[in-house]
This record gives sequence, C-alpha cells and structure tokens, in this order.
Amino acid sequence: ETGVTQTPRHLVMGMTNKKSLKCEQHLGHNAMYWYKQSAKKPLELMFVYNFKEQTENNSVPSRFSPECPNSSHLFLHLHTLQPEDSALYLCASSRPQGATNEKLFFGSGTQLSVL
Amino acid sequence: RKEVEQDPGPFNVPEGATVAFNCTYSNSASQSFFWYRQDCRKEPKLLMSVYSSGNEDGRFTAQLNRASQYISLLIRDSKLSDSATYLCVVGGGADGLTFGKGTHLIIQP
Repeated sequence: ETGVTQTPRHLVMGMTNKKSLKCEQHLGHNAMYWYKQSAKKPLELMFVYNFKEQTENNSVPSRFSPECPNSSHLFLHLHTLQPEDSALYLCASSRPQGATNEKLFFGSGTQLSVL
Repeated sequence: RKEVEQDPGPFNVPEGATVAFNCTYSNSASQSFFWYRQDCRKEPKLLMSVYSSGNEDGRFTAQLNRASQYISLLIRDSKLSDSATYLCVVGGGADGLTFGKGTHLIIQP
C-alpha cells in the first residue's frame, strides 16, 4: 500500500493526442516531483513543486506541462509527444524541499508509450 | 556539480553469499544519504537511510564514510528476491536529492 497514487498505470497515446497523468499523495508532504525513467536509464528529475510553487524545471520540453493545484495533487499534461518520450513517469513526494533527511516516496508510475 | 557515482554492475552473486557495493558522492556538504531498491519497471522503494554511525536492518548494513565521501551497502546471506537495482541517493538541504544510476544485482540459485 503506497501513500502516493498515480494514474493511469499504463498509457498508449498517439503523437497528436492530449493526455494527463495524475498523482495524489496522502502523506501530508509539501513537496512533489515528476521523474522520467527511460528503458535501462537512470532517473531524470523533470519538475519539483514545493508548497504548490514550481521550484525546479530541469530543461523539460514544453510539450510536458505540470500543474500543482495543491500540496496533495500533481498533474502532468502531455501534448504532441514524440516516440522518444516513451518511458516510465514517476511521481514522488517528500517533506518540504530543504528539510533535513527528506525521503522521497514514489508512486507506482505510469508506463507511457507514444506511437 | 553534484555527482553520485555507482558501479552499474551487474553483480552476479550466488545465493547465500555476501555482497557489498559502494557509492561515491562529490558534494561534501551533503546531509542525507539513502539506499533505494528498484525492481524492473517498478518504482524505487526506500530500503534504508544511512546514518553517520552506520545502521543495520536485518541482513542489510549501510555505512557512511564522510572523510572519503562514500556510502556502502552490505547484504548478507543473499536471497533470490534481493535481485534488483540498488540506487544510491545523496543530498538534502537546498540542493535536493541526487540519484545515482544504480547497481544491478543478480542473485543466482
């Protein structure tokens, strides 16, 4: 049982589609993150939100658009993606960024395939 | 630039053996250290935090060497279910957390 819930678990979309990934955390955390993990590659940090404010955008293309309406919810809106965007997208949460001993707790991820 | 380096492996280890791997980090101001475990196509899961005094959790022992800037993970009496990728995570404070690329461990029957 995880305190971070991600939906959908799997997503197949065409390059002209628009879709959204959803993440919800029930841990009372104030920081939320999006990571990308391509096949056999390390985790890449995409975005960080701290108390609903975006504090980091790791040079992510604009076809990925995050939204954080409150500290418990995080979305990743996708449009006109490319096949190379196919990857596992992971949401995570933690105590506020900058806190000591902050641990990340991950959702189960969305396996995205772009055709 | 923050860097966290791990030997990618794979480490092929017979069941029941002891295996250890290290992780080096570049930022001497790092405050938080963790080991995560990731199974194929699954999310990383926290295995254990690493404290200055070292800590043990069952068959797993983690140690921190601040002088040489590395952390280690020791697994005793390895099980088939220990096969996974082990991620070293370092950071804390304003710099956030940095993940290593992971060490792939395969326990063989």
